[in-house]
Amino acid sequence: DAKTTQPNSMESNEEEPVHLPCNHSTISGTDYIHWYRQLPSQGPEYVIHGLTSNVNNRMASLAIAEDRKSSTLILHRATLRDAAVYYCILSHNNNDMRFGAGTRLTVKP
Amino acid sequence: DGGITQSPKYLFRKEGQNVTLSCEQNLNHDAMYWYRQDPGQGLRLIYYSQIVNDFQKGDIAEGYSVSREKKESFPLTVTSAQKNPTAFYLCASSIGAGGRGNQPQHFGDGTRLSIL
Repeated sequence: DAKTTQPNSMESNEEEPVHLPCNHSTISGTDYIHWYRQLPSQGPEYVIHGLTSNVNNRMASLAIAEDRKSSTLILHRATLRDAAVYYCILSHNNNDMRFGAGTRLTVKP
Repeated sequence: DGGITQSPKYLFRKEGQNVTLSCEQNLNHDAMYWYRQDPGQGLRLIYYSQIVNDFQKGDIAEGYSVSREKKESFPLTVTSAQKNPTAFYLCASSIGAGGRGNQPQHFGDGTRLSIL
């Protein structure tokens, strides 16, 4: 299975942009890149997903490298409510989502 | 509002006892999933179901059982054979399983199981 590599933790200041990186050098051509986030004692929440092109939605933007071996989740203005663990996941058939340890984002006021 | 409801939020099990965790969804999704999360770690897939009356083992199915008699419901039983059941259990659903990997999963708020 293709795997992802994320930093264990990152810090950001409130109201500043945050760029969360993810490396997936063994990604296959049919793997979608998904991002979820999880607040303490809650279930994960879907953030965004994409295949090849950059994607934007109301929560975030996803920038995908041209060779697809890395991607970046962009939170345009971090708020205290964005403090969570962020997971980058590859999926090619919806049954194969494997959540690693993710990146713990701390947002400082 | 549509969503996934897990109950109870907290559950305690005695040694040698089976317990059943409830998961109900009103999203009209075909696929449902059970995950286990241990402290500080990611999620591991226990079982998934693509359609009523069908389910498949995930990565850590030993000591667990499921049923899918209704589209809306996917209960998980933690049996006495599961020797280390203390964990946070999460249920999820998606429009379909299989397919092209482009369908988000929607999660409930989990059940925290502890051993007495």
